[in-house]
Amino acid sequence: ETGVTQTPRHLVMGMTNKKSLKCEQHLGHNAMYWYKQSAKKPLELMFVYNFKEQTENNSVPSRFSPECPNSSHLFLHLHTLQPEDSALYLCASSQYPPGEGASGANVLTFGAGSRLTVL
Amino acid sequence: AQSVTQLDSHVSVSEGTPVLLRCNYSSSYSPSLFWYVQHPNKGLQLLLKYTSAATLVKGINGFEAEFKKSETSFHLTKPSAHMSDAAEYFCVVSDNWGKLQFGAGTQVVVTP
Repeated sequence: ETGVTQTPRHLVMGMTNKKSLKCEQHLGHNAMYWYKQSAKKPLELMFVYNFKEQTENNSVPSRFSPECPNSSHLFLHLHTLQPEDSALYLCASSQYPPGEGASGANVLTFGAGSRLTVL
Repeated sequence: AQSVTQLDSHVSVSEGTPVLLRCNYSSSYSPSLFWYVQHPNKGLQLLLKYTSAATLVKGINGFEAEFKKSETSFHLTKPSAHMSDAAEYFCVVSDNWGKLQFGAGTQVVVTP
């Protein structure tokens, strides 16, 4: 266990469904992240949260809706997705968010990911 | 602006032989650099990091990397590959504000 737990590990949904991905960290970290990992492409940062406040949204379509009720939990709500949204969604946490602490301290701890397939 | 380039998308090595994964970066600042590994169906795990201390960095599982400013490189090496090293490896550069840029990854195959 890496200290960052993601559920579900696999999810298949139709384009009209609404589902949510969940991430939980027990490391006492202050920042949490959602990344998208597609085949043949570098990791794409989607959202960053610092102490429950969203600090970064990398032009993510509104069909992805993040929620961070506290510094230990992060959700990604999904609705009316497209087949091209099929990917591995990775959650990560770090002690410091980008912009705080020394850059070398910004080590990310990743969860195992949620494999999403949109039919 | 910063960027990172992993020069090989796939590397195939025989078990017991050396592994070399190449990474070049560009950064307007003094960067921090990382290597992460991702085994199948797993998240990314930190192998090692460089943060302006010693230029030769040792990591887990026998891996090490050398920061060469003149060549803007941060290549990852291991003297003797093991079957369990089969995975995808990511080079990552961080600017002074902790903003990360991931490379496209290098898939390592280890043959018996």
